[in-house]
Amino acid sequence: DAKTTQPNSMESNEEEPVHLPCNHSTISGTDYIHWYRQLPSQGPEYVIHGLTSNVNNRMASLAIAEDRKSSTLILHRATLRDAAVYYCILRDNNAGNMLTFGGGTRLMVKP
Amino acid sequence: GAGVSQSPSNKVTEKGKDVELRCDPISGHTALYWYRQSLGQGLEFLIYFQGNSAPDKSGLPSDRFSAERTGGSVSTLTIQRTQQEDSAVYLCASSLAPRTSGRRTGELFFGEGSRLTVL
Repeated sequence: DAKTTQPNSMESNEEEPVHLPCNHSTISGTDYIHWYRQLPSQGPEYVIHGLTSNVNNRMASLAIAEDRKSSTLILHRATLRDAAVYYCILRDNNAGNMLTFGGGTRLMVKP
Repeated sequence: GAGVSQSPSNKVTEKGKDVELRCDPISGHTALYWYRQSLGQGLEFLIYFQGNSAPDKSGLPSDRFSAERTGGSVSTLTIQRTQQEDSAVYLCASSLAPRTSGRRTGELFFGEGSRLTVL
């Protein structure tokens, strides 16, 4: 899987939007962009994924740059429960389902 | 519905002993994955099963580590002659088969993990 680059940590205030960036300049045409998050003392959980178009679900929105070399996970109103490590992962659907996790971004939410 | 179940949730063992960690995937999920996460670190891929076969064993750190899956369901990760550096949380995940139709194809569902401490 191609490499992604994320900031090590970010801070947000509760009830405010959060934009978590991810750079993936070596993305290939068949790579999907996946986001997972890991709450403290839990296994990772799926957040959202996309290929080219922006995506929305009940948890978050994913904004994908037109050249696909970067993307942004958007939490519209951060809550204390959103404090977690957020992983941006590229996966080639033609190569199986395995995910390669990088370091992720540790999001801290202040009340 | 039931999620991925792992046991034991915590295991403390002495150096040199063998341990077995069990993973019960979500019913109907043909793909199963083992990862480990050392304290404060990211997830390290260990092995992947599609059905009962393991097309990718590249992440197993040494020949003391082995895994099997029977009946396309339960998997066991075995660590022989445990060492202190094996201490970590071992996470299991399952998913539908690759290239299954559907928008959420390939989403991995993780268990809570088995925390292994080797004294």
